[in-house]
Amino acid sequence: EIVLTQSPVTLSLSPGERATLSCRASQSVGTYLAWYQHKPGRAPRLLIYDAANRATGIPTRFSGSGSGTDFTLTISSLEPEDFAVYYCLQRGNWPRITFGQGSRLEIK
Amino acid sequence: EVRLEESGGGLVQPGGSLRLSCAVSGFTVNFNYMSWVRQVPGKGLEWISILYSGGATFYADSVNGRFTISRDTSNNTLYLQMNSLRAEDTAVYYCAREDFYLSGSYYLWFDPRGQGTLVSVSS
Repeated sequence: EIVLTQSPVTLSLSPGERATLSCRASQSVGTYLAWYQHKPGRAPRLLIYDAANRATGIPTRFSGSGSGTDFTLTISSLEPEDFAVYYCLQRGNWPRITFGQGSRLEIK
Repeated sequence: EVRLEESGGGLVQPGGSLRLSCAVSGFTVNFNYMSWVRQVPGKGLEWISILYSGGATFYADSVNGRFTISRDTSNNTLYLQMNSLRAEDTAVYYCAREDFYLSGSYYLWFDPRGQGTLVSVSS
């Protein structure tokens, strides 16, 4: 089973600052990695797929990079609505789907 | 309009059973890959099951042998039959569609208006 480890567990920043979240896979997943945003009481929202592609309707301040085992989600300038929990997800180990444990982005 | 509406959650005793439903509109459930995902309160997301368009199924180890995913094409609904429930199955359960991307992979799409359905396993 591929394990995804996210860091940091919690990140405290202010609106307008840059956020960088990391996801490390226990073995290569190629670029079959996605990022999701999850807010309390809401369904998860796909932000990035295939490591670096923004999903439909996702603002350009969200970007993804990486391949193999190391991946990054960057939010260039935080908006108030961006404070949430972020998860990475791998599809490199078909058919198993694995989520990372999540990174909480909170307002400083 | 594409919608996924989960229902069927509730309070059940350990060892009991429950069937969750995901009413699908705007697309045909049997032509798509569909999954169930859950979130234990205060913890992260966990994928638990997938149903392929061809009918094959796959489960996470944590639920394999206890949960069964299925669909009913007559009412365009996805189901999750949950048996031998444990306290650790307490969670909000979401259904999701697997969307195909040109890279050849699939990623989960959740209805933005979906809130999931809460299952509580307790005596």
